[in-house]
Amino acid sequence: GESVGLHLPTLSVQEGDNSIINCAYSNSASDYFIWYKQESGKGPQFIIDIRSNMDKRQGQRVTVLLNKTVKHLSLQIAATQPGDSAVYFCADGAGSYQLTFGKGTKLSVIP
Amino acid sequence: DGGITQSPKYLFRKEGQNVTLSCEQNLNHDAMYWYRQDPGQGLRLIYYSQIVNDFQKGDIAEGYSVSREKKESFPLTVTSAQKNPTAFYLCASSPSTDTQYFGPGTRLTVL
Repeated sequence: GESVGLHLPTLSVQEGDNSIINCAYSNSASDYFIWYKQESGKGPQFIIDIRSNMDKRQGQRVTVLLNKTVKHLSLQIAATQPGDSAVYFCADGAGSYQLTFGKGTKLSVIP
Repeated sequence: DGGITQSPKYLFRKEGQNVTLSCEQNLNHDAMYWYRQDPGQGLRLIYYSQIVNDFQKGDIAEGYSVSREKKESFPLTVTSAQKNPTAFYLCASSPSTDTQYFGPGTRLTVL
């Protein structure tokens, strides 16, 4: 998700629905991808990761999909809960110590 | 209880002052990082250290300095040369070139 100025892309979902958050990356050499969750005023929290030799990886209530052809990553959250409200951002790495971080998407869950 | 700690949580600086932000980890990670986060923007790398007594500049190192005398500690000094230091500062660590784990952050405000 790209952002303009101070405004992040926002996704609003009804409690219990599934959420899909998207991310585009630009480095064709990236082989490692991470999703983070950041609540207001707190540090980012690791959610799930995936390597480039995989297309899909599942965790608890979360699934990450990787499409290397179009350099696209998505995070699916099943049965979204109010506690899932946060900013979600992706990061990608190409074997060095430096990761490239996306600007994030703000997820709001409507009770 | 393993993890990354940052102190203080809030810090106020007067014009012309240097301030030091603390970051400690007991995860036995070799690499540590400092990022700056501004509203609506992705994380920007200030400095990182792959190993004790070694560190490299990131994308926005001007006006900042670091040291890595111990594996567990990576303090960041925001000098008076940093013209716009008000931001949320995040420290992270990683065992290798993969996932970085973040601390809770320090919010720095210039008075």
